[in-house]
Amino acid sequence: GEDVEQSLFLSVREGDSSVINCTYTDSSSTYLYWYKQEPGAGLQLLTYIFSNMDMKQDQRLTVLLNKKDKHLSLRIADTQTGDSAIYFCAEREGSQGNLIFGKGTKLSVKP
Amino acid sequence: ETGVTQTPRHLVMGMTNKKSLKCEQHLGHNAMYWYKQSAKKPLELMFVYNFKEQTENNSVPSRFSPECPNSSHLFLHLHTLQPEDSALYLCASSQKTGVDGYTFGSGTRLTVV
Repeated sequence: GEDVEQSLFLSVREGDSSVINCTYTDSSSTYLYWYKQEPGAGLQLLTYIFSNMDMKQDQRLTVLLNKKDKHLSLRIADTQTGDSAIYFCAEREGSQGNLIFGKGTKLSVKP
Repeated sequence: ETGVTQTPRHLVMGMTNKKSLKCEQHLGHNAMYWYKQSAKKPLELMFVYNFKEQTENNSVPSRFSPECPNSSHLFLHLHTLQPEDSALYLCASSQKTGVDGYTFGSGTRLTVV
């Protein structure tokens, strides 16, 4: 079945760039997503990228997609303490259109 | 507010109680989902409803009973739960053919004592 893998933890210093990586298995995925979850809250959509794009930039966020390697990354420039959260990668599967989520990467930002 | 409202935000219940979680969306979405989030399995899909019809049930125990009376409302009825059912229960909705992904509610933090 489809699977989405992420590393579980990432720690960076305030002001540095953060790069969160994700790999997926469904080559027919149409869209890939990044969600952010702050403590005690639901998941909030950050950005998404269509599978025929290589890159998408939105203010401090840059999404890179390598479709050949099925690798997705989220880069956060000038990381702030408010960026501390769990970040989930998700792929939209080709058959039913359901989202398949990774286990999430907990980003810790140290002052 | 995301447009998906879950109530209650927190719930403590005994193992013999019966309670219900409620989810409501007025985004015009036609699909709704229940997820369980715990330390052991970070995001576990439980049920999927498309146009009020249940299309997915991921081997969820019968002590969890979903109900979708219309495309705007989704319930999760709970009875004779176990302590290991304590978790954050998240509701989400989506437009099945849309590109915007899922919109999540803030969740109900359930504690079974």
